[in-house]
Amino acid sequence: QVQLVQSGAEVKKPGASVKVSCKASGYTFTSYYMHWVRQAPGQAIEWVGIINPSGGSTTYAQKLQGRVTMTRDTSTSTVYMEVSSLRSEDTAVYYCARSERVDGFDIWGQGTMVIVSS
Amino acid sequence: QSALTQPASVSGSPGQSITISCTGTSSDVGAYKYVSWYQQHPGKAPKLIIYGVSNRPSGVSNRFSGSKSGNTASLTISGLLAEDEADYYCSSYTSSSTVVFGGGTKLTVL
Repeated sequence: QVQLVQSGAEVKKPGASVKVSCKASGYTFTSYYMHWVRQAPGQAIEWVGIINPSGGSTTYAQKLQGRVTMTRDTSTSTVYMEVSSLRSEDTAVYYCARSERVDGFDIWGQGTMVIVSS
Repeated sequence: QSALTQPASVSGSPGQSITISCTGTSSDVGAYKYVSWYQQHPGKAPKLIIYGVSNRPSGVSNRFSGSKSGNTASLTISGLLAEDEADYYCSSYTSSSTVVFGGGTKLTVL
């Protein structure tokens, strides 16, 4: 079946970096965009960015520009999101989600909790 | 890019209909037919219920419907069920080639 499986929870200190993976299966990896969104505890969903697995092009939310990098490995159907210079405000559940167009995130990963704490 | 504006909460009784609004600008909601709606139960990942303003994915109840007028999109849930109690989020593609979400609406089924 179609699914996205993310890597496990992370605890990081302020200023460190974190890299979260999202492995896709059950569909043609390069035929769908992959988005990353995050949700801080008790807060709304926030869009982080998008990667086109076909060519690797990316677009990031202005708020995280310069601190977030998205990459993909087509040989393993996996996308990665790295956030650097972590701050306490980056504490959130991070989700990957695919879309066929630029809207309609139809399949979601299970979420990865990232805690930033000294 | 500011978040789309949704009411913080709405409520309704079983069997009733409710509507959740999602207000953006001429650079996002008003500019494209790329508005989606998501349902999120506590501790769960969001679930897509509407895409392309008014399209339902396969398997989503026809009690959920979407529409748009100008810079405001709307989600209507008819025949409310207890299981509809959840948080609802709208999203839109923007002229900056990004995506913006709304602040979320908590639906309470009385």
